[in-house]
Amino acid sequence: AQSVTQPDIHITVSEGASLELRCNYSYGATPYLFWYVQSPGQGLQLLLKYFSGDTLVQGIKGFEAEFKRSQSSFNLRKPSVHWSDAAEYFCAVGAGKTSYDKVIFGPGTSLSVIP
Amino acid sequence: GAGVSQSPSNKVTEKGKDVELRCDPISGHTALYWYRQRLGQGLEFLIYFQGNSAPDKSGLPSDRFSAERTGESVSTLTIQRTQQEDSAVYLCASSLVGRVDEKLFFGSGTQLSVL
Repeated sequence: AQSVTQPDIHITVSEGASLELRCNYSYGATPYLFWYVQSPGQGLQLLLKYFSGDTLVQGIKGFEAEFKRSQSSFNLRKPSVHWSDAAEYFCAVGAGKTSYDKVIFGPGTSLSVIP
Repeated sequence: GAGVSQSPSNKVTEKGKDVELRCDPISGHTALYWYRQRLGQGLEFLIYFQGNSAPDKSGLPSDRFSAERTGESVSTLTIQRTQQEDSAVYLCASSLVGRVDEKLFFGSGTQLSVL
């Protein structure tokens, strides 16, 4: 069965600094990969997704993520963090042999931004 | 409606009581998911409905948990004989047909507190 790990429970960065959030997955084939963000008091919002093709995907709010099959990773990056990026970030994987399947979420990484 | 609607937004109950949580998915969405999010933790998959197929109940933590869905509309998650460890935010999400390359639309959740 597929699974997702996010090694960092909590990360603190200064505003304007670069950011990388780690995500590792376990699955036998090429998975579908997602990053979601959950801001305080708001619902989950999709940042970006990867299904095939270019392994570097661009998302909303200036985020990008790179799929690395050899490392089973899908790390999220942003070159310059803004205070409004403080939130909970979830990596997720969707997999299965049919078109219909569930999405499994990682435990999340909490991001704090220092002004 | 325009989005996924969940009710109630907050529910406080006493240990041992039964509770029902409701989810109205986006009209036309055939796939519906329930997740649980304990304080400071990630999303935990509970159950998945897709059209008329048998639901995937593999994430339900115990036989105290059950869920139903009326056709391709409203879903109800029922927790019997609630325990303090059931305290969490219960999130509902829907997508058009349940394909993994679709976006999941989340509701704002029901905050359940078991005293």
